Amino acid sequence: DAGVIQSPRHEVTEMGQEVTLRCKPISGHNSLFWYRQTMMRGLELLIYFNNNVPIDDSGMPEDRFSAKMPNASFSTLKIQPSEPRDSAVYFCASSRLAGGYEQYFGPGTRLTVT
Amino acid sequence: GENVEQHPSTLSVQEGDSAVIKCTYSDSASNYFPWYKQELGKRPQLIIDIRSNVGEKKDQRIAVTLNKTAKHFSLHITETQPEDSAVYFCAASIEGSGRDDKIIFGKGTRLHILP
Repeated sequence: DAGVIQSPRHEVTEMGQEVTLRCKPISGHNSLFWYRQTMMRGLELLIYFNNNVPIDDSGMPEDRFSAKMPNASFSTLKIQPSEPRDSAVYFCASSRLAGGYEQYFGPGTRLTVT
Repeated sequence: GENVEQHPSTLSVQEGDSAVIKCTYSDSASNYFPWYKQELGKRPQLIIDIRSNVGEKKDQRIAVTLNKTAKHFSLHITETQPEDSAVYFCAASIEGSGRDDKIIFGKGTRLHILP
């Protein structure tokens, strides 16, 4: 397996633009997580899915953020409109189940909003 | 919900010495405690984990101890080497059914190995 795949690896956009981050989890994994990492706030869980269903989105900062998982092999995290404070590294991770199993992280997407 | 506290936030040790990172958790139902290592510019990767039915686990130079009564667990790295320099995250979660079983990460410890 190629591991968790994320695209794009880098994204630079202007404030107000829509940003879409993509993730392909490891085949056979039932749980998918979206994290945001900054120096100030560390690693924050934004949302996670079990069997394509969003379970906990309490970490999503505000309505500008949305996430979908239309099938077991694809998820998106969308920011609309983007703001400079959204600049961060966004990681997607997958695991067999949400609790009690290793999470495999993707390489991350470095987002810069100017 | 679960809360994980991690200390220290930064740690510098001389090469060859030992490093210890400590974490506490709040939910007594937590039963799975992994540790992740994140090298500069890379993704977090699991280095060792422990479940609540054991008190200690070792893998070469790294070990993790768990005190369920006190609700704390620690990572021990012996004979530190330059490649141990990284950010280390502890985490806690509940493996089971019918509970919010998401994993909660600590804020991380930046470990510097001094030559």
